[in-house]
Amino acid sequence: AQKVTQAQTEISVVEKEDVTLDCVYETRDTTYYLFWYKQPPSGELVFLIRRNSFDEQNEISGRYSWNFQKSTSSFNFTITASQVVDSAVYFCALILYSSASKIIFGSGTRLSIRP
Amino acid sequence: DAGVIQSPRHEVTEMGQEVTLRCKPISGHDYLFWYRQTMMRGLELLIYFNNNVPIDDSGMPEDRFSAKMPNASFSTLKIQPSEPRDSAVYFCASSPQPGRGTEAFFGQGTRLTVV
Repeated sequence: AQKVTQAQTEISVVEKEDVTLDCVYETRDTTYYLFWYKQPPSGELVFLIRRNSFDEQNEISGRYSWNFQKSTSSFNFTITASQVVDSAVYFCALILYSSASKIIFGSGTRLSIRP
Repeated sequence: DAGVIQSPRHEVTEMGQEVTLRCKPISGHDYLFWYRQTMMRGLELLIYFNNNVPIDDSGMPEDRFSAKMPNASFSTLKIQPSEPRDSAVYFCASSPQPGRGTEAFFGQGTRLTVV
């Protein structure tokens, strides 16, 4: 069965600290896609990044970076020099190529950045 | 494009009343999803459509819930009769080709309160 686990329910750090949000997924499929979404206090879900199962290259976008490791079935998200505006709930998600487009979300990690 | 548009943004209704949530997807997106978000259960996929046809409604909680997509630019989620446990945020999302890894674009959600 396919599943996304975000073991960290809540994280609180002081501004300017680095923070890593963990995501572990389960699937036997070889073709799949992984995503991160951000849900700020205003409530909307904002797409951050997509990775396909054949692309293990890590990605950096400004203060955000993502580490995809198939060997450990993980797709972790790091925020460097965190800011108060990063406070949000972050969701990791999985789509299997074989599952006709169902998006499977993790339970989310609530990140609080204290000034 | 204005993005996925949901209405109303907030709905308060009495138990037993009929509730209709509306969604206008992004033009050209063939897939439309309805999600429900609660603290207890996180983001749950209720139903999704491909080219206006319901593909998977296994997430619809019970017969009180129904969804339609009469055309490519409009979908409704109806709850009749509503119950307090239906209180949640309901999101509509659309995507061009999720099975090819395209991300889903979410509306701002409808916060439903059933009293």
